[in-house]
Amino acid sequence: SALTQPRSVSASPGQSVTISCAGTSTNVGAYNYVSWFQQHPGKAPKVIIYDVNKRPSGVPDRFSGSKSGNTASLTISGLQAEDEADYYCCSYAGAHPYVFGSGTKVTVV
Amino acid sequence: QVQLVESGGGLVEPGGSLRLSCTASGFTFSDAYMTWIRQTPGKGLEWLAYISATSDYTIYADSVKDRFTIFRDNAKNSLYLQMDSLRAGDTAIYYCARIRGYANFDSWGQGTLVTVSS
Repeated sequence: SALTQPRSVSASPGQSVTISCAGTSTNVGAYNYVSWFQQHPGKAPKVIIYDVNKRPSGVPDRFSGSKSGNTASLTISGLQAEDEADYYCCSYAGAHPYVFGSGTKVTVV
Repeated sequence: QVQLVESGGGLVEPGGSLRLSCTASGFTFSDAYMTWIRQTPGKGLEWLAYISATSDYTIYADSVKDRFTIFRDNAKNSLYLQMDSLRAGDTAIYYCARIRGYANFDSWGQGTLVTVSS
């Protein structure tokens, strides 16, 4: 089943938000292979974090990832208007290799 | 630059079949693991299947196993998804993506819409 994320989070520009991604000992807790994807309306998802805390080239350093036990987290520091989007986590899970989170809508108020 | 372009989506009746294509450019396709992921309207992402670079290994999500087949033609830089016994619940936008490492889907196509309805 899908990883559990909060349905929505909101904050003002310049503030920080953290999105949780709760899994189990067979996915998030078992491997250091968690990715985060950003999706703007009508667009394809884009990877912003992989391997728990690595940022692809070109992704701003205000995006950071971490993991503790069975829960991964994405933090956006210094929130900007263009960060308003849907965010999905995804974990490697071994025999059933990939499971996505339920998605979180970030609103910049 | 890396580019993935899906095609083949459309309207199909329940029980019908459809084949999606994904044409790749800008990288060495024959070295890449590839995957299909779908997104139901207004809902989340669901991983469906992946295939190794040389087609010697494929794996499927339980929801599509025995109905969908992933395959590729490296000479044509193309990835495919054969979808049989389609159901209303298969209605979604279907994306192809390149896999780098584990869970790192680093490049995506623009998606193609599949609608299963009578």
